[in-house]
Amino acid sequence: DQQVKQNSPSLSVQEGRISILNCDYTNSMFDYFLWYKKYPAEGPTFLISISSIKDKNEDGRFTVFLNKSAKHLSLHIVPSQPGDSAVYFCAASAGGTSYGKLTFGQGTILTVHP
Amino acid sequence: DAGITQSPRHKVTETGTPVTLRCHQTENHRYMYWYRQDPGHGLRLIHYSYGVKDTDKGEVSDGYSVSRSKTEDFLLTLESATSSQTSVYFCAISESPDYGYTFGSGTRLTVV
Repeated sequence: DQQVKQNSPSLSVQEGRISILNCDYTNSMFDYFLWYKKYPAEGPTFLISISSIKDKNEDGRFTVFLNKSAKHLSLHIVPSQPGDSAVYFCAASAGGTSYGKLTFGQGTILTVHP
Repeated sequence: DAGITQSPRHKVTETGTPVTLRCHQTENHRYMYWYRQDPGHGLRLIHYSYGVKDTDKGEVSDGYSVSRSKTEDFLLTLESATSSQTSVYFCAISESPDYGYTFGSGTRLTVV
């Protein structure tokens, strides 16, 4: 039972264009969402997060959008750069006894072509 | 930036043998986690700790145990390794769950 899903295993984008990575979730108790980026042979690194009280959060080239009614979030990277090529994981957490435990999606491999 | 280190980085072991992976942090963070990464599954939580001697199970805890006798160390033990436990294991630390995790570089474990 995958509570967080990234339905696109891979995405290929031209340098300078927008990359949009999508994530869907099923657990309505999730109230905090994060995106992580992972290079080969390294651990994931935190990219950006959003609380359920917001619908948008920006950090430089990265923007995360949250649509609670659709249980959907997306990560926009503008403009995309070759160094952005990596695996991107979305993750979610809930309060209560689940506090602090992140549930991850399967990941999307982003390739940015020069 | 060390902060969090995992050892060993790579290990090959035989089916049925016990294996212990170590996670060491220098950040004095309260929360520590063990995840495994497998193709098609992303990262799945094995066990986590919210303080010394305080641990709890994650979604894929069968066949694994953990111990945290000091703030800085979180050990993951496979009591009797099986081929299904071949995976990449990541440790993570967090000062507060609201700030997200810092991950270690991972341990690639192969059970033959």
